[in-house]
Amino acid sequence: GENVEQHPSTLSVQEGDSAVIKCTYSDSASNYFPWYKQELGKRPQLIIDIRSNVGEKKDQRIAVTLNKTAKHFSLHITETQPEDSAVYFCAAIYNNNDMRFGAGTRLTVKP
Amino acid sequence: DTAVSQTPKYLVTQMGNDKSIKCEQNLGHDTMYWYKQDSKKFLKIMFSYNNKELIINETVPNRFSPKSPDKAHLNLHINSLELGDSAVYFCASSQFGPNQPQHFGDGTRLSIL
Repeated sequence: GENVEQHPSTLSVQEGDSAVIKCTYSDSASNYFPWYKQELGKRPQLIIDIRSNVGEKKDQRIAVTLNKTAKHFSLHITETQPEDSAVYFCAAIYNNNDMRFGAGTRLTVKP
Repeated sequence: DTAVSQTPKYLVTQMGNDKSIKCEQNLGHDTMYWYKQDSKKFLKIMFSYNNKELIINETVPNRFSPKSPDKAHLNLHINSLELGDSAVYFCASSQFGPNQPQHFGDGTRLSIL
């Protein structure tokens, strides 16, 4: 089955700096890689995703990159704001709808 | 309008009891899921149903029994609750097929006394 590893487990940045979270996956058949943001006591919310035929995708201050050869993908948040503070999860989907999550990264943005 | 709704939001009960959590989605999706999020925030798939048929069944104790009366509903029944069952349970839904994003409900926080 799929195994997703995520680093770092915690990340603290100053407001305005960039934050990068990295994930690796094991199953080369995985073809869809969503990222979720979970605020305290709330549900995971999809913030951006990337499909296997694309190397990079950007949406305002967030971007994802995918390296299929190396089996890793990353989330980049630029100009971080205090409201970006949350737990971020990467995930990989294989076998159609079977989604496996990374362990999460707790991002703290200090004002 | 709530897209994926779960009830109850909180569930506090004693060890040994049987309880159910309900989930409904109004997104027109044909696939629904149950995830368990433990105290360390790790999210793990438990079950998935597509058009009322079980398609993913992870290694979960058989005290947990999902039921899907139709493609818009997926309920989770738990027998003989144990302390280790304390967690937040999330329902999610999506369209079936590759590259389909999953949308989560607000979660049910289950606490076993």
